[in-house]
Amino acid sequence: AQKVTQAQTEISVVEKEDVTLDCVYETRDTTYYLFWYKQPPSGELVFLIRRNSFDEQNEISGRYSWNFQKSTSSFNFTITASQVVDSAVYFCALRDDKIIFGKGTRLHILP
Amino acid sequence: GAGVSQSPSNKVTEKGKDVELRCDPISGHTALYWYRQRLGQGLEFLIYFQGNSAPDKSGLPSDRFSAERTGESVSTLTIQRTQQEDSAVYLCASSLGGSHQPQHFGDGTRLSIL
Repeated sequence: AQKVTQAQTEISVVEKEDVTLDCVYETRDTTYYLFWYKQPPSGELVFLIRRNSFDEQNEISGRYSWNFQKSTSSFNFTITASQVVDSAVYFCALRDDKIIFGKGTRLHILP
Repeated sequence: GAGVSQSPSNKVTEKGKDVELRCDPISGHTALYWYRQRLGQGLEFLIYFQGNSAPDKSGLPSDRFSAERTGESVSTLTIQRTQQEDSAVYLCASSLGGSHQPQHFGDGTRLSIL
């Protein structure tokens, strides 16, 4: 069965702290893709990153980094030195022959 | 320089009425998706169109829901005999073909059933 679990429903941190958003997935397919999307208060979802199942290299983009570990079926997202503008709902998604989104983690960055 | 365009942005209707929601994908995007997002919830997949292939309708919650797409352009999502539980934001996304392609989302249609 296909599943995406974002166990953290809501997180609040003080600005400049680091924060990690967890994503655990289940799939029977050997070829699949993982995505992170950001949904700011304005509502429109924005693509952040994609990973395919054969590429376990971690990636860093500015203050954002992603840790993909097939052994634990996890694709976690870390924001370093968080800023108020990072406040949003973040969704992890799995694509094999279907597309499924996690329920999202609402992140509050407090000034 | 259009992104995904959805209309109307808001729709209020009475229970039992039919509604039609429209999505204009990004030009050249062969894949189109519809999702439902209830207040404070995640995205619930509804239907997926890819080129001229038969759509994946596996996410449609009941036979009151249907969607069409004309070629690789506009799509309409129709909800018949609306019920209060249909109240949600309906999101459309498009992408280039292929599972690996990231989706580009519209702003959504906020549907309220009175």
